[in-house]
Amino acid sequence: QVQLVESGGGVVQPGGSLRLSCAASGFSFSSYGMHWVRQAPGKGLEWVAFIRHDGTNKYYADSVKGRFTISRDSSKNTLYLQMNSLRSEDTAVYYCAKEVIGYHAFDPWGQGTLVTVSS
Amino acid sequence: QSALTQPASVSGSPGQSITISCTGTSSDVGGYDYVSWYQQHAGIAPKLMIYDVIKRPSGVSSRFSGSKSGSTASLTISGLQAEDEAAYYCCSYAGSFTWVFGGGTKLTVL
Repeated sequence: QVQLVESGGGVVQPGGSLRLSCAASGFSFSSYGMHWVRQAPGKGLEWVAFIRHDGTNKYYADSVKGRFTISRDSSKNTLYLQMNSLRSEDTAVYYCAKEVIGYHAFDPWGQGTLVTVSS
Repeated sequence: QSALTQPASVSGSPGQSITISCTGTSSDVGGYDYVSWYQQHAGIAPKLMIYDVIKRPSGVSSRFSGSKSGSTASLTISGLQAEDEAAYYCCSYAGSFTWVFGGGTKLTVL
């Protein structure tokens, strides 16, 4: 079945960098666009970034534009999120999610990885 | 990219029906029929319940239904069950390959 497994979270100081990974299995990874969505502790969901199935186009929320970069490696069936210039407000659980082709929805989601930005 | 507006909490007794609203603008909810709803139990990843305003993925109970009027979308859960207690989030496409979520609604089954 479809499985998404995030990794790479941890504690980082303000201004630091971190790279998250999302290992995909159970579907044709290169055929689907992929999203990152985050959830600050005790807060709601926030869409972060989307990459098209072939990696040609990438889109970002205003809150992370210029600091975060989404990418993918179809040879490894893996999605990435490079996060630079991290701020305390970036502290959150980061989920990767697969697009529903032809529809603007996210399904399924990974289990998430926690990023804590703190000195 | 302002968050969609949802009530912070709703509650209902087993067997009853509840409706959760999700209000946006003409740039998101009102401009596209691309509203989706997600259920999130505590500590678990969200699960898709409704997409394209009214469509239900296979495996999702028919007790869950969606609708939209103008810039407000709604999720209705009929025949409430204890297992429905969770947070619910709406999401709308906002154009130019961007999406916006609501703040979430905590459903309590009394």
